[in-house]
Amino acid sequence: GAVVSQHPSRVICKSGTSVKIECRSLDFQATTMFWYRQFPKQSLMLMATSNEGSKATYEQGVEKDKFLINHASLTLSTLTVTSAHPEDSSFYICSAKWQNIQYFGAGTRLSVL
Amino acid sequence: KQEVTQIPAALSVPEGENLVLNCSFTDSAIYNLQWFRQDPGKGLTSLLLIQSSQREQTSGRLNASLDKSSGRSTLYIAASQPGDSATYLCAMRDANAGKSTFGDGTTLTVKP
Repeated sequence: GAVVSQHPSRVICKSGTSVKIECRSLDFQATTMFWYRQFPKQSLMLMATSNEGSKATYEQGVEKDKFLINHASLTLSTLTVTSAHPEDSSFYICSAKWQNIQYFGAGTRLSVL
Repeated sequence: KQEVTQIPAALSVPEGENLVLNCSFTDSAIYNLQWFRQDPGKGLTSLLLIQSSQREQTSGRLNASLDKSSGRSTLYIAASQPGDSATYLCAMRDANAGKSTFGDGTTLTVKP
């Protein structure tokens, strides 16, 4: 089956630093990738949708300059949390779409100290 | 503001039972509605996607329905199995604002 690899699975960083999360589709080409955020004991939130070679479409309320998304190839999308602060601590999940089905990465737990 | 509600928050059933999970939304101007399952340590799986023009979608033992007029979607699971134990999430995509809103999920436990 289609596999989406997300790296790292967990990252701890200091406040003010930037963190990059990678999302790769291992055995298929994904023209569309999604980034989600999940707060502890809360529901999921779609952050943005990215199409290969074009700018990401951000959901309402999501800061574009804070959460930089790059989808430079059909198998890789990255999310960079710039100047991270403790309130950015969360579980980030990526998803890649193939043949009209979404496949999800295992998620990245970000903790900002 | 779109609100998506899933009731109950938790459900426990014996193996073999048919069950229904509910998802309610406040704005009927939807683009699509999607059901997911989330397994601890295994991540998310997309189950079914219903477009605004559709009334239901089926995949194996799962059937999802959509009633825009009443603001409801249901996920029917037939002949439940312990492997169905997970948290089930619904997400509604707004047709106007282009925003997706998730419910808080129903945590299902199927006892052998």
